This record gives sequence, C-alpha cells and structure tokens, in this order.
Amino acid sequence: QVQLQESGPGLVKPSETLSLTCTVSGGSVSSGSYYWSWIRQPPGKGLEWIGYFYFSGSTNYNPSLKSRVTISVDTSKNQFSLKVSSVTAADTAVYYCARLMAGFDYWGQGILVTVSS
Amino acid sequence: DIQMTQSPSSLSASVGDRVTITCRASQSISRYLNWYHQKPGKAPKLLIYAASTLQTGVPSRFSGSASGADFTLTISSLQPEDFATYYCQQSSTTPWTFGQGTKVEIK
Repeated sequence: QVQLQESGPGLVKPSETLSLTCTVSGGSVSSGSYYWSWIRQPPGKGLEWIGYFYFSGSTNYNPSLKSRVTISVDTSKNQFSLKVSSVTAADTAVYYCARLMAGFDYWGQGILVTVSS
Repeated sequence: DIQMTQSPSSLSASVGDRVTITCRASQSISRYLNWYHQKPGKAPKLLIYAASTLQTGVPSRFSGSASGADFTLTISSLQPEDFATYYCQQSSTTPWTFGQGTKVEIK
C-alpha cells in the first residue's frame, strides 16, 4: 500500500520560502510511470495543481506559480520536495502531495501552511 | 489553461436519490477526466478515472460518462457517506486543472 506524508513548517513569514517534503512509502519515486505532484487548497476554496516530478527526472510547473516553484527529489530517502519562494498571504493553503498515473490515486493527508508575520 | 466548469455548484438530495454532476471542458481533453470527492478536513479521494473507469474499491453506485467536452458523474443511489464536495480534474494538458467543486448536501 502506497502512503504519502507531507512534512514541514506550518508557518512561514511573508517574502520567505515555503519548503515542504513528501515522504513516500510502499512505492518508489524513481520507478513506474508516475507523476509525483504537489497540489494546494486555500481555506474554503478549490484545488490547484502546483507541479510534478516525473520518475524519468523531468519536472513541470503551473505557469501561475512557475517562477517561484521548484520540485526536487531525493531518491535515497524516497522523498520529493516543494519550494515556493517569495510567499504572500495568497499562498496560505493546505498543501497535498499526490501520485498520478491516470488520476491522483494516492494523496498525503495534507499540511496547512499559513503565511503570516 | 483548460477551464473545467462544474454544475451545479451545490445540490441538496436525500438518501436514495439519483444524483448527477456535470463537468464541461473549455477544449478537447479526450477522456482524460477524473472525478474525486472530498470530505471536510480530508484529502480528495479518486472515484473515477479516464472518464468512466471505476477506481478499485469504489462502490458501483458511482459511474462516469462522456459526450464530447461534457462529462457526467452519476451516483445511482445516494448514501450517507456520499455527502461531500465533488471535483472533476483534467489530466490531458498541463497545467492540470480542477473544476470549482459541487457540494452535495443533505436535504
């Protein structure tokens, strides 16, 4: 059974960098035709795809965030990470990591990140 | 970006009712359409992928269909555990996008 778990600070100051890690168990981030993604959901609002890391090594980001986002992977720890730079209050959201093959079939439980001074 | 428009935004229904939610794509996405439901405080759960394929473990009362750019999720007999917010999502073209959600409430 594949499991994903987000971790990182729940509070980030404006203009700083948000950093989150997703630890994967029961599967490998470096094999299979999977897109390892980050998705976020502002409080009370809908879902926004942020970007993915593909097992072959490629990445793809939502243009709405592209200049501020980096997704990287640590295969030795079976983790992938998200960095969002220059955050503002608009980046306050629950951040999910998820795996897509056809649909997003496995999700983490989500982590609330609040941007506030 | 491909816009996904769901209707209705919310609905009230009773246990046992047949419920239909529609999602329209702003351009062709073939059958790269997925359906999820989300309960408060929880991650979304995949129900249907590729427009009409039931995800493993999802009850057969859920079904999906496609007609051109229009996609439909049907719950044949609404159960208490089905009260949630439903989202469609296209995985045809990045940026992958979600519909705005349909909240299914108890009548």
